[in-house]
Amino acid sequence: GAVVSQHPSWVICKSGTSVKIECRSLDFQATTMFWYRQFPKQSLMLMATSNEGSKATYEQGVEKDKFLINHASLTLSTLTVTSAHPEDSSFYICSASGRGIGQPQHFGDGTRLSIL
Amino acid sequence: RKEVEQDPGPFNVPEGATVAFNCTYSNSASQSFFWYRQDCRKEPKLLMSVYSSGNEDGRFTAQLNRASQYISLLIRDSKLSDSATYLCVVNLGGTYKYIFGTGTRLKVLA
Repeated sequence: GAVVSQHPSWVICKSGTSVKIECRSLDFQATTMFWYRQFPKQSLMLMATSNEGSKATYEQGVEKDKFLINHASLTLSTLTVTSAHPEDSSFYICSASGRGIGQPQHFGDGTRLSIL
Repeated sequence: RKEVEQDPGPFNVPEGATVAFNCTYSNSASQSFFWYRQDCRKEPKLLMSVYSSGNEDGRFTAQLNRASQYISLLIRDSKLSDSATYLCVVNLGGTYKYIFGTGTRLKVLA
């Protein structure tokens, strides 16, 4: 149980393109989803937390107009990297936790984004 | 002081060895605790939640010491496939805030 699917796994695109990443909880209702990015050999960095039906809470230093998050249902959250540039190239990972505070997070497979 | 601290390692151990990692946390309001493993270029995978009374799952044992504010992970009979980075995650009580440690790298050697 507790499977989170993330799509796509890899994206390579030109600078200026907007990229949309989907995160789905397949067998549970995810009231809270998290978006992280991770650079090589570095720790996970939380970008934002989103609760179903409400606006995402962004971490300090993360541009909300650059990284658009939508959590329209209990099973789907999307992250759109708008007008991506090479410095946005990274490993983006979503996670989801079920109902109730203090539940473990379950991670998607991650999306490797490369902007040329 | 970091909110969640782990020794980054690497811990290099021979196959079959027993190895233990600690993770200290600074916020006494922390309520839920987890161990994850992360393989290179992959997502973290939940290894086990950590319960107050301690818990075991096969070769893995997790302990919580609230008085000293640390959790531990013990791996018995290490396998080559245990080589990974082990992340300690702490949830602050009553919140959706999770604090990740930077991870401890384990290498099990043949």
